[in-house]
Amino acid sequence: AQTVTQSQPEMSVQEAETVTLSCTYDTSESDYYLFWYKQPPSRQMILVIRQEAYKQQNATENRFSVNFQKAAKSFSLKISDSQLGDAAMYFCAYRSYNNNAGNMLTFGGGTRLMVKP
Amino acid sequence: GAVVSQHPSWVICKSGTSVKIECRSLDFQATTMFWYRQFPKQSLMLMATSNEGSKATYEQGVEKDKFLINHASLTLSTLTVTSAHPEDSSFYICSARWAGTREQYFGPGTRLTVT
Repeated sequence: AQTVTQSQPEMSVQEAETVTLSCTYDTSESDYYLFWYKQPPSRQMILVIRQEAYKQQNATENRFSVNFQKAAKSFSLKISDSQLGDAAMYFCAYRSYNNNAGNMLTFGGGTRLMVKP
Repeated sequence: GAVVSQHPSWVICKSGTSVKIECRSLDFQATTMFWYRQFPKQSLMLMATSNEGSKATYEQGVEKDKFLINHASLTLSTLTVTSAHPEDSSFYICSARWAGTREQYFGPGTRLTVT
């Protein structure tokens, strides 16, 4: 079974600065997807960014980028130019590429990000 | 596109009663729906996966007779918490996907309080 670990329960960043959230995972599979989700106070889960394991290039979405290290099984999220609206819980998630695995997401424990004005 | 709704957003019920939560995909046909439970300040825990027209697959430790899941159509799945107790109080989130997509699309969640 896959496991996802987020070692930082809480992080804080000054507005306009950059912050990196850590995520490690354990799997025996070679093909999979990794995701970062944001859960603001409204509790609506919002997809931030997605990475396919077969792609060497790190995914980017505007101010959000990842550092995907497949050999180290590490998938960190970098938020640049942090904004007050970035304050939320962030969850790292894993999904098998194999549809027979049920397409389920395995979530990490989450990191609460606080943004200081 | 890819909007998922849940109803109700918040429900309070008395201990011993049953409560039904609906999850609807508004603009796509959801071949698979997922139900998660989230305790305060904790992560999402998958409860079950349901495919349209099939019985739900429950995760280990989830009582299938207590948490009844029905995925009767391609746009609707329901979670019924039977004989609810205070320890069932939690935030329940559904998500949905269609065949071939990498994504799951999440509903806004339902807060259940059992008194």
